[in-house]
Amino acid sequence: ETGVTQSPTHLIKTRGQQVTLRCSSQSGHNTVSWYQQALGQGPQFIFQYYREEENGRGNFPPRFSGLQFPNYSSELNVNALELDDSALYLCASSLGSSRTGGYEQYFGPGTRLTVT
Amino acid sequence: DQQVKQNSPSLSVQEGRISILNCDYTNSMFDYFLWYKKYPAEGPTFLISISSIKDKNEDGRFTVFLNKSAKHLSLHIVPSQPGDSAVYFCAASANADKLIFGTGTRLQVFP
Repeated sequence: ETGVTQSPTHLIKTRGQQVTLRCSSQSGHNTVSWYQQALGQGPQFIFQYYREEENGRGNFPPRFSGLQFPNYSSELNVNALELDDSALYLCASSLGSSRTGGYEQYFGPGTRLTVT
Repeated sequence: DQQVKQNSPSLSVQEGRISILNCDYTNSMFDYFLWYKKYPAEGPTFLISISSIKDKNEDGRFTVFLNKSAKHLSLHIVPSQPGDSAVYFCAASANADKLIFGTGTRLQVFP
């Protein structure tokens, strides 16, 4: 069984640039959620994708957007990067969603984004 | 509005003793609770969970207790081992929706 993988591991961007982060879900999982973890904080929910459709969104501006592909892998895109976007971005996969009762989410190692 | 709170930022326990990590929540709609462990430079690792219809769930050295009336849950680790040293996050969910995390408790188990 393959776990959740994320790429890249680390990334340094300049304010105003755009970034794309990638996630491959655990084998058999059809739901991907993205979280942002700032230093000293718990992960904060950005959005969730279930079978290629957005299935819930947290309190993040529209410049945070995402996609899920037919193989259930996912991308997180952030436009017009700001200094406060510097954080660890975590992807989690699960089997199902609020429609099917998929509670346990399994996390990847994260992408450390630094915005200068 | 912090719906899930972990009021102890750190905990230090001797090897072999019991570690008790606490978590409080405010949203009565939460129906599922999870504990994750996180090592530096890694993503959170799922440890144990409990449904709101139960008050206890046990898995090896890990036991989670839920007190719905007090909106409180705790994670007991016994016996504690040095490899348990990590940051522990409590998380809650309503209807398998997004996970709401606490700010974490750093556990250090010393010999």
